[in-house]
Amino acid sequence: DAGITQSPRYKITETGRQVTLMCHQTWSHSYMFWYRQDLGHGLRLIYYSAAADITDKGEVPDGYVVSRSKTENFPLTLESATRSQTSVYFCASSEWGVGYTFGSGTRLTVV
Amino acid sequence: AQSVAQPEDQVNVAEGNPLTVKCTYSVSGNPYLFWYVQYPNRGLQFLLKYITGDNLVKGSYGFEAEFNKSQTSFHLKKPSALVSDSALYFCAALTPNTGNQFYFGTGTSLTVIP
Repeated sequence: DAGITQSPRYKITETGRQVTLMCHQTWSHSYMFWYRQDLGHGLRLIYYSAAADITDKGEVPDGYVVSRSKTENFPLTLESATRSQTSVYFCASSEWGVGYTFGSGTRLTVV
Repeated sequence: AQSVAQPEDQVNVAEGNPLTVKCTYSVSGNPYLFWYVQYPNRGLQFLLKYITGDNLVKGSYGFEAEFNKSQTSFHLKKPSALVSDSALYFCAALTPNTGNQFYFGTGTSLTVIP
């Protein structure tokens, strides 16, 4: 997973709190993505970005906010965390037509 | 709707036997097809991809996949399974006109029994 870093690896937060998951890539890939992984659902796309300052919703965007002011960073913010947002979150980056490279994931628990 | 299906949640195979993990897709155009593997508490790792050409694609760790356009399938195979192959496997389809977005299957958990 060298080149794409997620932080923190583990996070416990309380319902209603705001939390931000960080994602940083060193390749200057144009595309970046946030997925959540849940048992029985596989990977579901939350948001993606085709370039700096360009973001778009995926399959499950509600309750999440993203920004991409710089090509290398793509933070994901949960504005008011809910228990249903307990999940493992994966960031990925790619160029057009190339397979993704994934980060190691952030395991988020909302209590 | 575009989708990728992995019909088996769980596949068990004895060590040394051949393994197959199934994947079918329903996406428009001529998608690029991928397999990823996920080991416990790790991110997804690229195994192989099909874009065009030979229907049999060879990838990492001795894995290969067979593309079948008429059956819209892209099954992952390995001639002789290893215990270390035990992991979660994801099939994915990428279509050029969807912003480089992948459609993932729900994953298949492979257990290789010693």
